[in-house]
Amino acid sequence: ELKVEQNPLFLSMQEGKNYTIYCNYSTTSDRLYWYRQDPGKSLESLFVLLSNGAVKQEGRLMASLDTKARLSTLHITAAVHDLSATYFCAVDRGTYKYIFGTGTRLKVLA
Amino acid sequence: NAGVTQTPKFQVLKTGQSMTLQCAQDMNHEYMSWYRQDPGMGLRLIHYSVGAGITDQGEVPNGYNVSRSTTEDFPLRLLSAAPSQTSVYFCASSYVSGDYEQYFGPGTRLTVT
Repeated sequence: ELKVEQNPLFLSMQEGKNYTIYCNYSTTSDRLYWYRQDPGKSLESLFVLLSNGAVKQEGRLMASLDTKARLSTLHITAAVHDLSATYFCAVDRGTYKYIFGTGTRLKVLA
Repeated sequence: NAGVTQTPKFQVLKTGQSMTLQCAQDMNHEYMSWYRQDPGMGLRLIHYSVGAGITDQGEVPNGYNVSRSTTEDFPLRLLSAAPSQTSVYFCASSYVSGDYEQYFGPGTRLTVT
């Protein structure tokens, strides 16, 4: 059974600081996704990672995938208040049965 | 291009009532799916479809039915609502090739009393 764990679950950080959110999954999987959700809103796709060693960057966010370690990271560089949101990773083994992590609630303090 | 649309936005049901949540997409995506999101939790897959006439169960299918008669529409039916089905429901769609990026609808907030 595929399980996805994120940590930390809650993250409060100062503006300008760097931090990393971790996403571990339990079995070999083909695809890993990162999403952002603002309070009361829907999910917005951030990154799609499809191969070992994949790295993608958008603004202050960078995501990477290590399929051998079954680990993805979402790195935040020089955080700003606008990045405050809940971040989810999701994994799929190529069967379209997506399993989501429980989310990391990020609060960036001015 | 409206993307993924869902109706209604909010719904209150009494225990035992049935209803259908509507989902439509105009991107010609083959894959469509339904999720529920409960407080403090991630999304859990209810049902999904990889094309018209093809549906399959996800992680939490009990109490829900789906059908896919067209590429555009993927309704979710609650057969006999229970308080445990109080949740926010999201529909999503994607292509079945390429990067498989899912696009989510705005959600339906359902309360069962």
